[in-house]
Amino acid sequence: DAKTTQPTSMDCAEGRAANLPCNHSTISGNEYVYWYRQIHSQGPQYIIHGLKNNETNEMASLIITEDRKSSTLILPHATLRDTAVYYCIVRAGGTSYGKLTFGQGTILTVHP
Amino acid sequence: DADVTQTPRNRITKTGKRIMLECSQTKGHDRMYWYRQDPGLGLRLIYYSFDVKDINKGEISDGYSVSRQAQAKFSLSLESAIPNQTALYFCATSDLVDTQYFGPGTRLTVL
Repeated sequence: DAKTTQPTSMDCAEGRAANLPCNHSTISGNEYVYWYRQIHSQGPQYIIHGLKNNETNEMASLIITEDRKSSTLILPHATLRDTAVYYCIVRAGGTSYGKLTFGQGTILTVHP
Repeated sequence: DADVTQTPRNRITKTGKRIMLECSQTKGHDRMYWYRQDPGLGLRLIYYSFDVKDINKGEISDGYSVSRQAQAKFSLSLESAIPNQTALYFCATSDLVDTQYFGPGTRLTVL
C-alpha cells in the first residue's frame, strides 16, 4: 500500500470548514484513498473513500487531485465533536487482505 | 458504532490468567478483525477472518488465539496474559468494499 504524508496537527474554528490535506504521491492506479478518524480512545470511524472522483457524504467531502497524488478531506462546518485524529489511508480496494495501516494521522483541534 | 459491540469494555487481570474478549456484529459482514492499539504505535492487526471457516494471522498474533463461532461473533483469547499485552483492543468488521467498522474497544490491563 502507498505511503501517505499528513500534517501532524491542525486547528479550526467551530463552524468553519476544516480542510485536511494528505499527500500520496506513490499511489497506484488501483488504490483507493480512505479517511478514518479516531476520537480519543474510541474505535476508529470510517468517514469516506474515493478512487479518482470527488466524493461527498453526510459527514464530509473528499477532493482528489487529477493526478491522484494528493487529496483533501473537507469537514464543511466543523464542530467541537470533530476534534479527533484523522487518518488518510491508501490501499487497494476489495483485496483479499483487509489490513488497514494507520499512520500518525493529523490531530485536528476544533476550538470555540 | 453500535452495530459492533465488544465485551468487556474494561478488564484488569493478572499475569498468567486466561482472558477472552468477545466481539459481536449486526452488520451482516463476513469479514472480521482484531487489532490492538498501543500509545504512539497506531493499530496493529492481530487476527482476521473472512468467513466462519477462515482464520488468518495478522502481524502480531503470537500469544493470541481466535475463534469465529458464527458470522456475527469473533472472539480473541489470551491463553496466558502477560503485562506487555496491556493495550486497547478493537474489533472491526468489513464489507466486500473493505470499509471497516470498528467496535468501541476493550481496555485490557495485565498486572
